[in-house]
Amino acid sequence: SQQGEEDPQALSIQEGENATMNCSYKTSINNLQWYRQNSGRGLVHLILIRSNEREKHSGRLRVTLDTSKKSSSLLITASRAADTASYFCATGLLLTGANSKLTFGKGITLSVRP
Amino acid sequence: EPEVTQTPSHQVTQMGQEVILRCVPISNHLYFYWYRQILGQKVEFLVSFYNNEISEKSEIFDDQFSVERPDGSNFTLKIRSTKLEDSAMYFCASSSGTGVGYDEQFFGPGTRLTVL
Repeated sequence: SQQGEEDPQALSIQEGENATMNCSYKTSINNLQWYRQNSGRGLVHLILIRSNEREKHSGRLRVTLDTSKKSSSLLITASRAADTASYFCATGLLLTGANSKLTFGKGITLSVRP
Repeated sequence: EPEVTQTPSHQVTQMGQEVILRCVPISNHLYFYWYRQILGQKVEFLVSFYNNEISEKSEIFDDQFSVERPDGSNFTLKIRSTKLEDSAMYFCASSSGTGVGYDEQFFGPGTRLTVL
């Protein structure tokens, strides 16, 4: 089964606008994590939302989770050119103990025009 | 702020050669992971490691792959006989183990492996 499918695949906005990215998944999860990746670089952890949470904020980031619809959204407010990157949602499934496995989507390419 | 580090940043090798990719997880973390990302594709889980043994591995992680924690700080991924299709970015990640079911996984910058 496919997990963590994001949409849109690409998003281009003007600096100062808000960017909304969506993620859908198919099976049960324990958490959902969003990451940012600048071209060819590492994955930077942005935010984690637990399966029993509905909304979480961190700075200019707002994440929502709707487990009944199996979907999540990442909102970046007041975007900046430096937010230009690929964004991935990753669903976390608990394996054993505190060990969990992340399943990533294909990612959304966000371009913020100055 | 503590971070996961990986060396080398880029490794070029000939098909059939052995490679060892190195990672230093965040120091008080207990769970360690390897993922890979083939160019243009999704990041894929390879293996998780806890208490000096493999906890879970994917179908990709066949007998050509092995992991080891040789000392108190390093975590390595060995590919015994590399194939062209092993060319990818390999990411190491670690998590603290304190949040059961909601542990953040922190990733290193990756090692780009090119198999010629």
